[in-house]
Amino acid sequence: GQNIDQPTEMTATEGAIVQINCTYQTSGFNGLFWYQQHAGEAPTFLSYNVLDGLEEKGRFSSFLSRSKGYSYLLLKELQMKDSASYLCAVKGNSGYALNFGKGTSLLVTP
Amino acid sequence: GAVVSQHPSWVICKSGTSVKIECRSLDFQATTMFWYRQFPKQSLMLMATSNEGSKATYEQGVEKDKFLINHASLTLSTLTVTSAHPEDSSFYICSAREGGGRETQYFGPGTRLLVL
Repeated sequence: GQNIDQPTEMTATEGAIVQINCTYQTSGFNGLFWYQQHAGEAPTFLSYNVLDGLEEKGRFSSFLSRSKGYSYLLLKELQMKDSASYLCAVKGNSGYALNFGKGTSLLVTP
Repeated sequence: GAVVSQHPSWVICKSGTSVKIECRSLDFQATTMFWYRQFPKQSLMLMATSNEGSKATYEQGVEKDKFLINHASLTLSTLTVTSAHPEDSSFYICSAREGGGRETQYFGPGTRLLVL
C-alpha cells in the first residue's frame, strides 16, 4: 500500500523561508513530485526527484532521501501568492499513476 | 510547461442524468491520461488510468460502469458520469503524461460537478 504524510497546515511570514516535509512508505518508488494547488484550481507542477539530493529551481527547492523515505520542499523569499496547498505525490513501480498525500495548506502572512 | 484543457469547467445537472467531461492535451501527445476526483479539503484520489486505444484501468472502489472513460486519441480522453447522484458532486481533474521518458504529469484546470 501507499502511505504519504505531510503536515496539514503551516504558517510563515512574507520574505521568510519555509520547509514542507513529506514522508512516504510505499510498495515501490519511482519518483516523487511536488505540486502547488490554489483553492479551486488544478495542481501545478513544481518539482520531480527520483535520485537522492537537492533540486533547485529559483525560489523553490526539493530534496529527496530514498533510504529515509523523506522529501522536503523549500520555499525561499516567501510571497503572499505562495499561500496555497502543496501536494507531495509518489510514483510507484506499477504504471505511471501518482499517489498523493493530503496536502499541506500554507498561509503566508504579511 | 505542457497545456492540458478540460471542458466544461463547471456543470450543474439533475440527479439521474449523465455528464461528459473532456480532457485534451493541447501541445503534446499524451500516452497516458489520468482521472482524479477531489472532495473539499481533501487530496486528489486517482479514479482511473487511461491509455490511448485500450480500456481504462480503474482503482479499487471506482465503478467502471458508472464512470465511463474513453481515450480515443493521443490528445483526448473523456469521462462520463452516468446516472449522476448528489454524492458524485466533486471536483474532477484530469492529467496527462507525455511519455517518451518524461515523467511529469500535467493537470487540467478541473471540472466542478454539482448534482442536484
